Amino acid sequence: KAGVTQTPRYLIKTRGQQVTLSCSPISGHRSVSWYQQTPGQGLQFLFEYFSETQRNKGNFPGRFSGRQFSNSRSEMNVSTLELGDSALYLCASSSRVGPYNEQFFGPGTRLTVL
Amino acid sequence: DAKTTQPNSMESNEEEPVHLPCNHSTISGTDYIHWYRQLPSQGPEYVIHGLTSNVNNRMASLAIAEDRKSSTLILHRATLRDAAVYYCILLSNFGNEKLTFGTGTRLTIIP
Repeated sequence: KAGVTQTPRYLIKTRGQQVTLSCSPISGHRSVSWYQQTPGQGLQFLFEYFSETQRNKGNFPGRFSGRQFSNSRSEMNVSTLELGDSALYLCASSSRVGPYNEQFFGPGTRLTVL
Repeated sequence: DAKTTQPNSMESNEEEPVHLPCNHSTISGTDYIHWYRQLPSQGPEYVIHGLTSNVNNRMASLAIAEDRKSSTLILHRATLRDAAVYYCILLSNFGNEKLTFGTGTRLTIIP
């Protein structure tokens, strides 16, 4: 099985712009979660989707949004980029929801905001 | 969210067992204990998880204290590929489970 794929792998944007990141989960996985990882804050949960519905949301401003399509692929969007949005954005997929399931992470998208 | 405490760093010799401790004194009865690791320049990787009983898989073993206030991840024979940051995380069973990583333990393997 192919793993979780994320595109693009690297992205450079300037303040005020918006960005869309894409995640393709492992085939058959219907749950997709997004995380932001920075050296200072560690890995923080953004949101989780299951069958096109947002199940959970972390403590991020409304500039961060996401969606999931019927084929389970997911996108996250960040509008009005700020310097502090520079981070590694990770996507993880799981076959089911629940605290007993393992999540499979993609390689991440490294976003740099100048 | 229940918190976990791990040592910042540990070292181990190659081909020797490694015991990575994690304290979670505020764990609730329905919290699952998960371990993930992150190799340099990669996304996190699932290692193992458990609820009450000790667990084994092809990667590692998880020993859970009887009172569940602590757990230990055991790598039976460390290799250089096991050098990574290891995270101990608690996930609750109330529908709002989400991985929250702390600072983890940076494991260095000495050849």
